[in-house]
Amino acid sequence: DTEVTQTPKHLVMGMTNKKSLKCEQHMGHRAMYWYKQKAKKPPELMFVYSYEKLSINESVPSRFSPECPNSSLLNLHLHALQPEDSALYLCASSRTVLGNTGELFFGEGSRLTVL
Amino acid sequence: AQRVTQPEKLLSVFKGAPVELKCNYSYSGSPELFWYVQYSRQRLQLLLRHISRESIKGFTADLNKGETSFHLKKPFAQEEDSAMYYCALSGGSNTGKLIFGQGTTLQVKP
Repeated sequence: DTEVTQTPKHLVMGMTNKKSLKCEQHMGHRAMYWYKQKAKKPPELMFVYSYEKLSINESVPSRFSPECPNSSLLNLHLHALQPEDSALYLCASSRTVLGNTGELFFGEGSRLTVL
Repeated sequence: AQRVTQPEKLLSVFKGAPVELKCNYSYSGSPELFWYVQYSRQRLQLLLRHISRESIKGFTADLNKGETSFHLKKPFAQEEDSAMYYCALSGGSNTGKLIFGQGTTLQVKP
């Protein structure tokens, strides 16, 4: 299995809802990432997990809460989001945190709409 | 500051023409640079990385530290090369941070 799988593919939620995005990989990768991508813009890094520990938080608002329950799974818990948080959320993994290899494996993304 | 600049939003060429997608970077250390590609309805994927000095799908990219550039080139464009191309910079060894340029859409016309 050489894919990163994200669920759900689409999510619509109200500003008071609590929801979660899930990401899974079975490539034995020990680094996992959340990126946010707005339309016609590049991906922007949100969080990096290395060996199940949060290593980078790019000053993301606390209404986004990441969780890495084990080396194969990465969640993004969403609560009290704003309409401007509507975007494509991409999960990625790599063998370890980026060094010279630089290869990220991306999922197809979860398209989030906040009403 | 670490920054990646892709000056062209859209590059349109005819099939068989040469292609050059420009990328300039700003980085104080020794850069690690990559090109990622996203074909229509497909996920973002690595195309090539500068340390490998490889050619993938006929594309090459040379790191020019003097000009702080990492342009992507292909001598003869094919229609299947039409996609969004992102140049990316690794923000320091073992940080896990990849900084993307704004992207260039390559359109190859028949």
